[in-house]
Amino acid sequence: GAVVSQHPSRVICKSGTSVKIECRSLDFQATTMFWYRQFPKKSLMLMATSNEGSKATYEQGVEKDKFLINHASLTLSTLTVTSAHPEDSSFYICSARDVQDRGSYEQYFGPGTRLTVT
Amino acid sequence: GEDVEQSLFLSVREGDSSVINCTYTDSSSTYLYWYKQEPGAGLQLLTYIFSNMDMKQDQRLTVLLNKKDKHLSLRIADTQTGDSAIYFCADNLFFGTGTRLTVIP
Repeated sequence: GAVVSQHPSRVICKSGTSVKIECRSLDFQATTMFWYRQFPKKSLMLMATSNEGSKATYEQGVEKDKFLINHASLTLSTLTVTSAHPEDSSFYICSARDVQDRGSYEQYFGPGTRLTVT
Repeated sequence: GEDVEQSLFLSVREGDSSVINCTYTDSSSTYLYWYKQEPGAGLQLLTYIFSNMDMKQDQRLTVLLNKKDKHLSLRIADTQTGDSAIYFCADNLFFGTGTRLTVIP
């Protein structure tokens, strides 16, 4: 089946620094990737939709200047958390849709990245 | 915005059936989904149902959709310890809180 990887799986950074998280579709092409944030005991929150070759679409309440998204190719999207603060500590998950999948709109999820800001 | 709700916890005995419920608010969705998240792993699609269907069965899994009430359920027959996980229902890109299923041996 379709595989999505994320790197790194865990990262600890100091407050004020920036962190980049990569999301790759390994065996398929994804024109659209999604970034989610998962809070403990809460739902996945969709942060933004990343479209290859164009600007990301951010959900209401998500700061686009803080969470920079770049979808440079059909297999790679990156999320950069700029000037990270402890409240940005969370589990970030990406997903991707296969360009060939025109039926179910199934998303393939990455394993997530645990970000801890100290 | 879209709201998808689930209860947070469910415990069942091994061999019993599990029923996980979900309600949603957006009536325009074409598909509704159930995902499974095991500890330390990413979400995996379990099953999905097209919005014009009432029921879908896939081996031990049965999905029921009541479109009028905007209610979706996932039934797992003969629940096994390996079914212990968090189950998310999703209305396209919007997810519920997840239901943590604990299977008691």
